[in-house]
Order: sequence, then structure tokens, then C-alpha cells
Amino acid sequence: QLQLQESGPGLVKPSETLSLTCTVSGGSISGNNYYWGWIRQPPGKGLEWIATIYYRGTTYYNPSLKSRVTISVDTSKDQFSLRLRSVTAADTALYYCARLVDVLGPTHFDQWGQGTQVTVSS
Amino acid sequence: DILMTQSPSSLSASVGDTVTITCRASQSVYSYLNWYQQRPGKAPSLLIYTASNLHDGVPSRFSGSGSGTDFTLTISGLQPEDFAIYYCQQSYSHPRFGQGTRVEFK
Repeated sequence: QLQLQESGPGLVKPSETLSLTCTVSGGSISGNNYYWGWIRQPPGKGLEWIATIYYRGTTYYNPSLKSRVTISVDTSKDQFSLRLRSVTAADTALYYCARLVDVLGPTHFDQWGQGTQVTVSS
Repeated sequence: DILMTQSPSSLSASVGDTVTITCRASQSVYSYLNWYQQRPGKAPSLLIYTASNLHDGVPSRFSGSGSGTDFTLTISGLQPEDFAIYYCQQSYSHPRFGQGTRVEFK
């Protein structure tokens, strides 16, 4: 059964870079029918999509975050990663990685990681 | 940017009730509309994709309908495990979620 597991520091200082990795197990990240993405959820709030990547490198970014975000993939390790630069307290959130089903493009998130809490604080 | 608006923001219901949640898009998303359930302390899970298709393993009491700008999620015969927050998400353009609807115990 496919599993996704987020990893990375739980505490990041303001103005620094948040870096997270999602490890996919029980399946390959190189499948033709799936994309891979990051979503975040600030405390007590709703869900915000951050970025999506295809294993061949095609990327999509939330326009509101695009200037600060990079998503990348390492197919040899079945991992994809998120970097968010110049973080502020507003970036404090639970960060999820997820798989998106390809239906003429990325559509719905059918598998999710358990989430990892990231707090931005000095 | 396509905005998604859910109503109500919260509702109170009892076990066995039929519950309907509405999601409205600021412009047509055709049938590219998905629904998720998020139980407390858990990651969201997919319920319905492309407006009306039930995801694998989701009980048949969940159903979705609609197209264009107006969509509904119906839970027929609410069960204790259904008390959760429900989100819609459009996938016609960059993914965007509704603000969520909290289903609480009456």
C-alpha cells in the first residue's frame, strides 16, 4: 500500500528557508498516472495548495507563493521536496505531501501523508 | 483565480440525519470538483472526485452532484465517524479549496 511520509525541521527561524522532503513507499514516484504535491494548513484554518510536480520535472506553483517556492523530485530515492524561502510567522502550518491523480493533468489528491508541523519562530 | 465558497460554514446534526453541503465556484469548473473529509488530528482523505465519483472504500452514504459552478455533497444517514470538516477543491485550474464545513454533533 502506498505511503507518503514528510520529514524536515519542525522549527525554522524567520527569513530562513523551510525545507521538507516527502518519501514515497509502497510504490514508485515515476508512475505515468500521478503527480505529487504539497499542501499546508495553518493552525485552525483551511487547506492551501503550495506546489505540484510530475516525475519528469513539470512543475506548478500557487501564484501567491511562487516567488518563494521550489519543488523538486528525486526519482532514484522516490522522494520529492519543498523549499520555501524567506519564511515568516505566516508560514507556520501543518505541511502535507500528497499524490494527485492524472486526468488530463493533475486533479484530485487521493493519497496523503500524515503531515509535519513547521513553526516559524526565532 | 477561481474562488470556492462552501455553505454552511458549520452545521449541527444527529446520527441518522441527511446532511447537504454546498460548494460554489466563482466561475465554471465543469466537473472538476472534489470533496475531502478531515477528522480531528488527521490528514484529509478523498471522498468524491470529479463531482460525483466515489473514491475507493468510501461508504455509499456519501454522494456528490453538480457541474459548472454549483456542487453538493450529501451524507445520507450520518454516522458517528462522519463528524468532521469537509472541504471542496476545484481541479480545473490551480487547486483551490473551499474554506471548509464543520459537521458537529447536535
